[in-house]
Amino acid sequence: RKEVEQDPGPFNVPEGATVAFNCTYSNSASQSFFWYRQDCRKEPKLLMSVYSSGNEDGRFTAQLNRASQYISLLIRDSKLSDSATYLCVVNKEYGNKLVFGAGTILRVKS
Amino acid sequence: SQTIHQWPATLVQPVGSPLSLECTVEGTSNPNLYWYRQAAGRGLQLLFYSVGIGQISSEVPQNLSASRPQDRQFILSSKKLLLSDSGFYLCAWSPGLVFGEVSTEAFFGQGTRLTVV
Repeated sequence: RKEVEQDPGPFNVPEGATVAFNCTYSNSASQSFFWYRQDCRKEPKLLMSVYSSGNEDGRFTAQLNRASQYISLLIRDSKLSDSATYLCVVNKEYGNKLVFGAGTILRVKS
Repeated sequence: SQTIHQWPATLVQPVGSPLSLECTVEGTSNPNLYWYRQAAGRGLQLLFYSVGIGQISSEVPQNLSASRPQDRQFILSSKKLLLSDSGFYLCAWSPGLVFGEVSTEAFFGQGTRLTVV
């Protein structure tokens, strides 16, 4: 089983749609979770951290379910500029070894 | 503010040639440093991880090596490149953890696109 698994997509959605991505992780000892965004041929950039109680940043909402070992990202009112690959990231163990999922491709179309 | 520099941006090397990629971080001290590789259309694979000068953790067996000669300098090397070494190499840093911290996010350099021919 992969340490971090994501549906590769692509998710093709119209502008204004709501879209959700899930990610599962295998290490129950993981304690830090993040969503990164990667544009084509660019470096990944932090989108948001994921907290146990769930957190929201504008149109983006992240949730964590420790019991089921999955993380979700919800994007509301999708914009063309949201088109990118979204990477789920989990720390491998105590410390800062971050493991990245393969990413989910989102394409927002007008 | 902290910045990370990685060079070169692109590199084309013949099979069997050596490799040296350099990464430096400014504006922080004692960072954790990482080398990741991303093959075309794939996720990021952690290659090396360092918590301090001379301390390198190798995550996958391969013909690559890493060194950290200074606190904020991280170098990725190979004596003889293989075709399979082609990919997008990313250097990243994160703040060194203090007691009680679990982990923090990582910040990436702009990457080196390596093509081995």
